[in-house]
Amino acid sequence: NAGVTQTPKFQVLKTGQSMTLQCAQDMNHEYMSWYRQDPGMGLRLIHYSVGAGITDQGEVPNGYNVSRSTTEDFPLRLLSAAPSQTSVYFCASSPGGASSGANVLTFGAGSRLTVL
Amino acid sequence: QKEVEQDPGPLSVPEGAIVSLNCTYSNSAFQYFMWYRQYSRKGPELLMYTYSSGNKEDGRFTAQVDKSSKYISLFIRDSQPSDSATYLCAFNTGGFKTIFGAGTRLFVKA
Repeated sequence: NAGVTQTPKFQVLKTGQSMTLQCAQDMNHEYMSWYRQDPGMGLRLIHYSVGAGITDQGEVPNGYNVSRSTTEDFPLRLLSAAPSQTSVYFCASSPGGASSGANVLTFGAGSRLTVL
Repeated sequence: QKEVEQDPGPLSVPEGAIVSLNCTYSNSAFQYFMWYRQYSRKGPELLMYTYSSGNKEDGRFTAQVDKSSKYISLFIRDSQPSDSATYLCAFNTGGFKTIFGAGTRLFVKA
């Protein structure tokens, strides 16, 4: 049981380039989300999905796109990378469902992105 | 005012000490109060959570929630070097948006 798998682990981009961070989970979780973690800022929610075909914005969605075509996958797209998007990105999932309760999250290992 | 405040530390203690980690919050709608632990270069993992007020104990760890003061605490008894990590408080109203504190870095010296 792999849990939440993120790729790549490390990436360096130039300003203006685009890329996709991949996230896959094998726990049949309905809820998936992307957070970014910056020093002193904690984890901030970028986008989330409560099921296939359903996505919504979090606290810091600008500059990022997501889609959820399957239950397992939730890729995060950077359309035109900026130095302000240098961060560690975490994908997280939870069982979700009609009653989210505490929405206990299972996190991936993270993707470290540097934008020059 | 930030929705969640957490002292980033670092907090350095000797092995065997009792550790107290704290967060304050401003949103009275929060119902679930969580603590995540994050080792260096890893993803956070849930340590424990509490629904509404009160205490919850799990081994050497105790979580306390004081909703009247909007204050939550995590106590670690008999701290071990393996407890060295960043501890993040997290809050949820029962929906799908979990709000995290900035995290407190803890070092336990052998």
